[in-house]
Amino acid sequence: AQSVTQPDIHITVSEGASLELRCNYSYGATPYLFWYVQSPGQGLQLLLKYFSGDTLVQGIKGFEAEFKRSQSSFNLRKPSVHWSDAAEYFCAVGFQKLVFGTGTRLLVSP
Amino acid sequence: DSGVTQTPKHLITATGQRVTLRCSPRSGDLSVYWYQQSLDQGLQFLIQYYNGEERAKGNILERFSAQQFPDLHSELNLSSLELGDSALYFCASSADGQHTDTQYFGPGTRLTVL
Repeated sequence: AQSVTQPDIHITVSEGASLELRCNYSYGATPYLFWYVQSPGQGLQLLLKYFSGDTLVQGIKGFEAEFKRSQSSFNLRKPSVHWSDAAEYFCAVGFQKLVFGTGTRLLVSP
Repeated sequence: DSGVTQTPKHLITATGQRVTLRCSPRSGDLSVYWYQQSLDQGLQFLIQYYNGEERAKGNILERFSAQQFPDLHSELNLSSLELGDSALYFCASSADGQHTDTQYFGPGTRLTVL
């Protein structure tokens, strides 16, 4: 069965500190991989995506993610978090039918 | 702003009723997707349309139906509503509905069934 695991429900990071959000997936083949962000009352915004090629993907807002086939992981990183990054982050995999993880809520402390 | 619009923003109704959620895709996009976000099930893919035709189906209940009209807007119809149908319903659109297309999400419609 296809599934996405985001093991951290909540993460609190100090402003200016680095961030890593974890994502592991189970899929029949190597799927396309995505990270979306959802701010309160908003829809989902695509941060970045991986289809093939370079396993380190750059996205918007200073985010990057690294695809590791051997670990079935696609972790999201940011070197320095800003207060405006506080939101819920979803990892998703698939092709047309996206399968989403349960999300990680990021809190940013001053 | 993704360019995808959804109406209404909020909907409150009673069990047993029927509602219609509307989605207008981004200008030029031919494919529309519907997702349900609930506390217990998370974000789940419901159905995809491409240029008026159903292309892919997910965990959509038989009480739910959707269609995409010639002007490319889409409607999701939910009938015989149950308390468990309370959720945020997202519409997304993409250019061609291909695997490599980026899906752009609307702000969602929050449905509350009392």
